[in-house]
Amino acid sequence: DQQVKQNSPSLSVQEGRISILNCDYTNSMFDYFLWYKKYPAEGPTFLISISSIKDKNEDGRFTVFLNKSAKHLSLHIVPSQPGDSAVYFCAASARAAGNKLTFGGGTRVLVKP
Amino acid sequence: GAVVSQHPSWVICKSGTSVKIECRSLDFQATTMFWYRQFPKQSLMLMATSNEGSKATYEQGVEKDKFLINHASLTLSTLTVTSAHPEDSSFYICSAIPAGLYEQYFGPGTRLTVT
Repeated sequence: DQQVKQNSPSLSVQEGRISILNCDYTNSMFDYFLWYKKYPAEGPTFLISISSIKDKNEDGRFTVFLNKSAKHLSLHIVPSQPGDSAVYFCAASARAAGNKLTFGGGTRVLVKP
Repeated sequence: GAVVSQHPSWVICKSGTSVKIECRSLDFQATTMFWYRQFPKQSLMLMATSNEGSKATYEQGVEKDKFLINHASLTLSTLTVTSAHPEDSSFYICSAIPAGLYEQYFGPGTRLTVT
């Protein structure tokens, strides 16, 4: 039972364009959502997060949007850079349940120069 | 800030032996640390939650007698894989949450190969 899903296993985008990564969840108890970037054989790097009381959070080139009614969130990266090529994981937590993270399956992003 | 280290970064051990992996928060104190494992081309799976000064909480299906967790201080948690078998070969990653925050910060991971 996958509570957090990233339905696109991979995404290819041209440098300078926008990358849009999507994530869906099923557990209505989740109230905090995070995006991590991961390179092979390394730990995930925290990118950006959003609380369920907000619908948008922006940090530099990264913006996360949350649609609670649809149980959907997305990460926008603009403009995309070749260094953004990595696997991106969406994660969700229920803070009342001890901040345990449930990860999506990841989306591999390739930014072409 | 919020740097987490792991040691060793990779280890090879023989079947039947035990191996210890350390997770340290370098510039903050963490009352809670988490241990994950990742199989090739798969997502991270939470193994257990490590609480300083108390017993770890294991996820369903994770053998607590096989994966011993000790959270001896506010900056150190250890995972010991006991009587390792080849199927324990995996990438083990720890994370920690700085006080006052909700984001988990991850270590660089430890690649375990059991021969």
